[in-house]
Amino acid sequence: QKEVEQDPGPLSVPEGAIVSLNCTYSNSAFQYFMWYRQYSRKGPELLMYTYSSGNKEDGRFTAQVDKSSKYISLFIRDSQPSDSATYLCAMSDVFGNEKLTFGTGTRLTIIP
Amino acid sequence: EAGVAQSPRYKIIEKRQSVAFWCNPISGHATLYWYQQILGQGPKLLIQFQNNGVVDDSQLPKDRFSAERLKGVDSTLKIQPAKLEDSAVYLCASSPGGTAEGNRNEQFFGPGTRLTVL
Repeated sequence: QKEVEQDPGPLSVPEGAIVSLNCTYSNSAFQYFMWYRQYSRKGPELLMYTYSSGNKEDGRFTAQVDKSSKYISLFIRDSQPSDSATYLCAMSDVFGNEKLTFGTGTRLTIIP
Repeated sequence: EAGVAQSPRYKIIEKRQSVAFWCNPISGHATLYWYQQILGQGPKLLIQFQNNGVVDDSQLPKDRFSAERLKGVDSTLKIQPAKLEDSAVYLCASSPGGTAEGNRNEQFFGPGTRLTVL
């Protein structure tokens, strides 16, 4: 069993739809949870960062962490074509986020 | 602020050949990482440097991969000899380092070097 599981997709939704991306994990020591966005032929860029359980909102993006279920989610509201990218969840059990374990990534396409 | 620079962007070699990748991190960043990202997978950490010292190289195939970070700034990753399964994107990332309270220590990634081994 992989430490972090993520549905690879691909996922295609119409513009304006709400997108839900999810990851599950098995290591209960993970405390820091991140979502990275990776455009084609680019490196990942940090989108959202959450410590422990709870919700965090940033504009159209909301990150949720449920440590009891070992489940994290990223919601994108009012999705735009510019949101088309691969979304990677990442987790760490080390303060300072130095040891990241990534999911496989979900490829998302927003259809105009 | 300039980002993480990597070169070359693309490299095609035949198996058993050697190849080297170069990374220039964000100025002042103490920590440098090399990741391997195989198509359809997430990045996997190969090696982590703190300044010019190795912090973690547990997933680096040391029989063929080597890396160095001279003077605690630029870094090179070398593969010798390359195998077909080394075909991947090699990502370099850097972070400020340190574990001060409230320091999120975000990792900033370069664009990667796409390696194809034939």
